[in-house]
Amino acid sequence: SAVISQKPSRDICQRGTSLTIQCQVDSQVTMMFWYRQQPGQSLTLIATANQGSEATYESGFVIDKFPISRPNLTFSTLTVSNMSPEDSSIYLCSVLNTGELFFGEGSRLTVL
Amino acid sequence: GIQVEQSPPDLILQEGANSTLRCNFSDSVNNLQWFHQNPWGQLINLFYIPSGTKQNGRLSATTVATERYSLLYISSSQTTDSGVYFCAATTLRGSGGSNYKLTFGKGTLLTVNP
Repeated sequence: SAVISQKPSRDICQRGTSLTIQCQVDSQVTMMFWYRQQPGQSLTLIATANQGSEATYESGFVIDKFPISRPNLTFSTLTVSNMSPEDSSIYLCSVLNTGELFFGEGSRLTVL
Repeated sequence: GIQVEQSPPDLILQEGANSTLRCNFSDSVNNLQWFHQNPWGQLINLFYIPSGTKQNGRLSATTVATERYSLLYISSSQTTDSGVYFCAATTLRGSGGSNYKLTFGKGTLLTVNP
């Protein structure tokens, strides 16, 4: 398995601001992903964080809204830009390890 | 992409009861996982089971890949089993030989009452 730490664990944000979520893994991993879980919903993949290159975004998600960095094989950040109340969600970092996906504790964002 | 359907959507049990949760998927899978999301939102890996049967304590899971379904069994349920159970899968079809994008079902909300 992998130990995945996310910061912040929760935050309350004002409309129009941006917030960066950090994801730190205790070992080097090739594949890292960012998921979103809106209230009462299932998880949806936002993007694959690629080390040393631009992230690969899923349909409905764009780089201007969700810029992602992946400077090395143990760390990634997701920024939620120009937030609105519709961005209130849990954001989860995940990594692939020996064929299995593992998730961080999640970052619960509330946008007022 | 692959479709993942879970049933039932909600389940209420008395402590000590047994239950079976079902996951149907629309295509052949190279990865199937069961997760438990606790009330704090954390996703806990239960099983990585693209085929066959596995057991871990009071929980067990079976995936019949040829018939495109997976079952999660919970025996002697406890209040701490409450939460949402997610099934998630990936398929190699149409992915150029590799696909690590998990598609999640909508989950089963389990409530275990004392």
